[in-house]
Amino acid sequence: AQTVTQSQPEMSVQEAETVTLSCTYDTSESNYYLFWYKQPPSRQMILVIRQEAYKQQNATENRFSVNFQKAAKSFSLKISDSQLGDTAMYFCAFRSSYDKVIFGPGTSLSVIP
Amino acid sequence: DAGVTQSPTHLIKTRGQQVTLRCSPISGHKSVSWYQQVLGQGPQFIFQYYEKEERGRGNFPDRFSARQFPNYSSELNVNALLLGDSALYLCASSLRTGGSVNTEAFFGQGTRLTVV
Repeated sequence: AQTVTQSQPEMSVQEAETVTLSCTYDTSESNYYLFWYKQPPSRQMILVIRQEAYKQQNATENRFSVNFQKAAKSFSLKISDSQLGDTAMYFCAFRSSYDKVIFGPGTSLSVIP
Repeated sequence: DAGVTQSPTHLIKTRGQQVTLRCSPISGHKSVSWYQQVLGQGPQFIFQYYEKEERGRGNFPDRFSARQFPNYSSELNVNALLLGDSALYLCASSLRTGGSVNTEAFFGQGTRLTVV
């Protein structure tokens, strides 16, 4: 069974600084996708970034980038130049077959002015 | 284009009652998935439907059921409600092209169910 672990329940970062959120996962499959979702207080689950397991190059989306270590089954998210609007719950997620997405327990990120 | 829409946004039910939650996927999306998110936890997969057929089921009791209609909208039904069913219920839609994993799931804003 696939599992996703996020070992940091809460984190904080000063505005304009950089923060890294950690995620590890477990699977025996070779073809899968990894995601970071953001859930602000509005409850809307928003896709931040995704990574295809067969691609060695780490994904980047503006201020967001990942460090994907397939052998270690690690998938961390780096947020550069943190902004107040980045305050939210962040979920690491895994998807292999069909559309079943397995989420981690989440990391609550607070950006401090 | 409208995103994934869910109704109602909030709902209060009494233990033992039954509830129906509704989801309209993004136009053109044929796959709908349901998730339960208990406060302070990550979403847990309940069901996935594609082309009106159940394609996946999570570890939930038979009190939970769902269906997908010809227009690809979906309903989630929960019978004999328990206090522990109180949660945010999220619906997600995706294109799902023939078994490929290369489809993004778009989430609705959820239905907040409170069982008292």
